[in-house]
Amino acid sequence: RKEVEQDPGPFNVPEGATVAFNCTYSNSASQSFFWYRQDCRKEPKLLMSVYSSGNEDGRFTAQLNRASQYISLLIRDSKLSDSATYLCVVNAAGGTSYGKLTFGQGTILTVHP
Amino acid sequence: NAGVMQNPRHLVRRRGQEARLRCSPMKGHSHVYWYRQLPEEGLKFMVYLQKENIIDESGMPKERFSAEFPKEGPSILRIQQVVRGDSAAYFCASSRGTGGPGELFFGEGSRLTVL
Repeated sequence: RKEVEQDPGPFNVPEGATVAFNCTYSNSASQSFFWYRQDCRKEPKLLMSVYSSGNEDGRFTAQLNRASQYISLLIRDSKLSDSATYLCVVNAAGGTSYGKLTFGQGTILTVHP
Repeated sequence: NAGVMQNPRHLVRRRGQEARLRCSPMKGHSHVYWYRQLPEEGLKFMVYLQKENIIDESGMPKERFSAEFPKEGPSILRIQQVVRGDSAAYFCASSRGTGGPGELFFGEGSRLTVL
């Protein structure tokens, strides 16, 4: 079983749609959780951290369920510029190796006019 | 402020040759991480270095791969006797080491193609 699993998609949605991505992780000792965005042939960039209480940043809402080891990302009012690969990322190491991240395979999103 | 700088951006090597990838962290950052992204796969952690020290190399292949981060100069990921399976994007990331994982910044990557 992969440490971080995502539905690879692709998700093809029209502008203005709401789309949700899910992710599960296998290591119950995981400490930090993130969503990154990666544009084609570019470096990954942090989109947002994910907290148990849930957090929102504009059109983006992230949720974490530690009991189910499940992470979600909701994008409302999709824009063409949201087209990218969304990476679910987990940090299990903690301590001094907090930059040792485990990435999911990524979910491809294409927003069309 | 310059971000994480990686070079070369693209590198082509024939089987059996050596590849050297360089990474200059952001100013003020002393922690460097290398990740590899194979085609159609997610990024995989390779190694974590601080100046003159390898902290965690649990993701490095046992043979042909090595990394260093000298006191002066960039971090270098070295791949000896490259094989076709080494073709991938290699990303470097840096941090100050005092914040959390959210303060990890990635370079644009070096794309290695092995013919």
